[in-house]
Amino acid sequence: AQKVTQAQTEISVVEKEDVTLDCVYETRDTTYYLFWYKQPPSGELVFLIRRNSFDEQNEISGRYSWNFQKSTSSFNFTITASQVVDSAVYFCALSEPSGGANSKLTFGKGITLSVRP
Amino acid sequence: ETGVTQSPTHLIKTRGQQVTLRCSSQSGHNTVSWYQQALGQGPQFIFQYYREEENGRGNFPPRFSGLQFPNYSSELNVNALELDDSALYLCASSLPAEETQYFGPGTRLLVL
Repeated sequence: AQKVTQAQTEISVVEKEDVTLDCVYETRDTTYYLFWYKQPPSGELVFLIRRNSFDEQNEISGRYSWNFQKSTSSFNFTITASQVVDSAVYFCALSEPSGGANSKLTFGKGITLSVRP
Repeated sequence: ETGVTQSPTHLIKTRGQQVTLRCSSQSGHNTVSWYQQALGQGPQFIFQYYREEENGRGNFPPRFSGLQFPNYSSELNVNALELDDSALYLCASSLPAEETQYFGPGTRLLVL
C-alpha cells in the first residue's frame, strides 16, 4: 500500500525566514506522481506542484523550491523568505492507480505552517 | 475559466439522515473525484466518476454513493449518517490521463 509521511505537524517561523517542509513516501509502483497542495483556512486545496517519478530535476518557482530524491523517497518543499500569506496547511500527496480513468491521491497528514510578522 | 464549485458550503444534519452534496467540475474536466477530510487529517479518497460511471473507489461503505451527470457535474450521497461522517468533503476535477486534480472549496458537514 502507498503511504505518505509528513513527520512535522506544526512549524512556526518569523517572516523572511526560510522553511523546509519534509515529505517521505512509500510505493511499489515504478511510475507515480508526487504533489504538494496548500490549504488555507478557507479549506480549498490549492495545487502547487506535480513531479513524476522519472524526473528528479529540482525545481524553483519564485520563492518556492522542491527537492525530489528517489534514493531516499523524499519530496521536500522549501519556502524562501517566508511571508504571512504563506500561513496554511501543506499537504504532500502521492498518486496511485484507482482502477479508474485517473489516479487517486494518497495524502499525508499535513504540516501547519504559521508565519509570524 | 471557472474553477471547481461545490454546494452547499456548510450543512448540519442529525444521525440517521441522508445528505446530498454537489460539485461542478472545472471547465473541460470530465473526471470528478470525491475526498473526505476529517479534522486534522489529510483527505481520504472516496470514489471517482468518469463518463457517468463510478471508476475507482476507496475504503468507504456502500452508504456513500454518487452520480455524475452529462455536463460532468457530480453528486455525493451519504445515507444513514453517522457522527464520524462529520468532515470536510472535497470534490476535485481533472482531465482523463491528466494526473493533476483541482479541488473545490469543499462542503463542511456536521452530523449531530
